Amino acid sequence: ETGVTQSPTHLIKTRGQQVTLRCSSQSGHNTVSWYQQALGQGPQFIFQYYREEENGRGNFPPRFSGLQFPNYSSELNVNALELDDSALYLCASRVGGRHEQYFGPGTRLTVT
Amino acid sequence: KQEVTQIPAALSVPEGENLVLNCSFTDSAIYNLQWFRQDPGKGLTSLLLIQSSQREQTSGRLNASLDKSSGRSTLYIAASQPGDSATYLCAVSNYGGATNKLIFGTGTLLAVQP
Repeated sequence: ETGVTQSPTHLIKTRGQQVTLRCSSQSGHNTVSWYQQALGQGPQFIFQYYREEENGRGNFPPRFSGLQFPNYSSELNVNALELDDSALYLCASRVGGRHEQYFGPGTRLTVT
Repeated sequence: KQEVTQIPAALSVPEGENLVLNCSFTDSAIYNLQWFRQDPGKGLTSLLLIQSSQREQTSGRLNASLDKSSGRSTLYIAASQPGDSATYLCAVSNYGGATNKLIFGTGTLLAVQP
């Protein structure tokens, strides 16, 4: 158990809909990153938030957006869902300035 | 652009065997390298983190080595057990300011037969 929790565990959405995924960081961790893991692939970096500001982004379109709250919990929002958005979404938290990241169990998103 | 490759993609061994998983990366300017374990449909568990200045790290039956100049890392698992069955992922971090973006390989699926 890493202390990082994610909700919901599973989610099924229809193409074109919007979805919000949530992450609760480990206590004391002020940096959170989100990753997308398609079936059979390694995770791909979406973006990182530090103290409520986005400070790094991977090769994902603007319809992927996020928020980090004062208590360091975080949300990933995806608009206009596409079939290829079906994946396991992972969040990872760490203390800013340190490099070991702690991953949550993930949210499995299926887009039909 | 950093690319990470893991070989083999899948491996099946009998219980008790020692084994080596391989990871290679194209850009040697890394800050650190991590090995993770992932059980089916689950999140990632960090196994070992090697800083760029280090050559190896050990934890129990696991030993990870890093050769930055050749762009390679190996994960050695001694006396494998059925409970070691999982996907093993390596990831590198190219330090770029405050962002600690991890670049992952596609993993090695390990099955240890009882």
